[in-house]
Amino acid sequence: AQKITQTQPGMFVQEKEAVTLDCTYDTSDQSYGLFWYKQPSSGEMIFLIYQGSYDEQNATEGRYSLNFQKARKSANLVISASQLGDSAMYFCAMREPLYNQGGKLIFGQGTELSVKP
Amino acid sequence: KAGVTQTPRYLIKTRGQQVTLSCSPISGHRSVSWYQQTPGQGLQFLFEYFSETQRNKGNFPGRFSGRQFSNSRSEMNVSTLELGDSALYLCASSLEPGLKYDTIYFGEGSWLTVV
Repeated sequence: AQKITQTQPGMFVQEKEAVTLDCTYDTSDQSYGLFWYKQPSSGEMIFLIYQGSYDEQNATEGRYSLNFQKARKSANLVISASQLGDSAMYFCAMREPLYNQGGKLIFGQGTELSVKP
Repeated sequence: KAGVTQTPRYLIKTRGQQVTLSCSPISGHRSVSWYQQTPGQGLQFLFEYFSETQRNKGNFPGRFSGRQFSNSRSEMNVSTLELGDSALYLCASSLEPGLKYDTIYFGEGSWLTVV
């Protein structure tokens, strides 16, 4: 069965520094997609970045990059130059295998990031 | 471009009542999924709809149901509410299930409190 593990329940980072949020996944499928979402206290789940299992290059979106190590089954999120507004819960998620034609996401337990001024 | 819209944002219901939540996906998106988020269980998949058909269903009792309309808007219904149904209900939309580079976007969620 597919599984997502986020081992850091909470993290602190100084404003303007970079931070890495860990995510490991377990799947026996070759084709899958990995997502990172940000959830502020308001509840909205904000899409940050996506990595497909066949993508050879790490995904980047502005200050967000995904450190994808397929052999280790890890998909860590790197936030560069942290800002106070980055304080939120961060979720790593994996989509069901594409051959299942499913859009179902499996989520990790999340990491609460606090940015200190 | 409007995002995923969920209504209502907040609601309080009494045990035994039923509730209907609504979700309008991003224009052009035809796949809608629903998730329940609680502190204890985290984010759990409820169901997914595409072209008015339920394609996938999570492990929830039959009190949880949903549907999708021809304009891709979706509703979910919970009957005979229990205290444990108190949660944030999130709706997600995508172009269609199974696309390789299809990004899944979420709405702001509906906060349900059962008293």
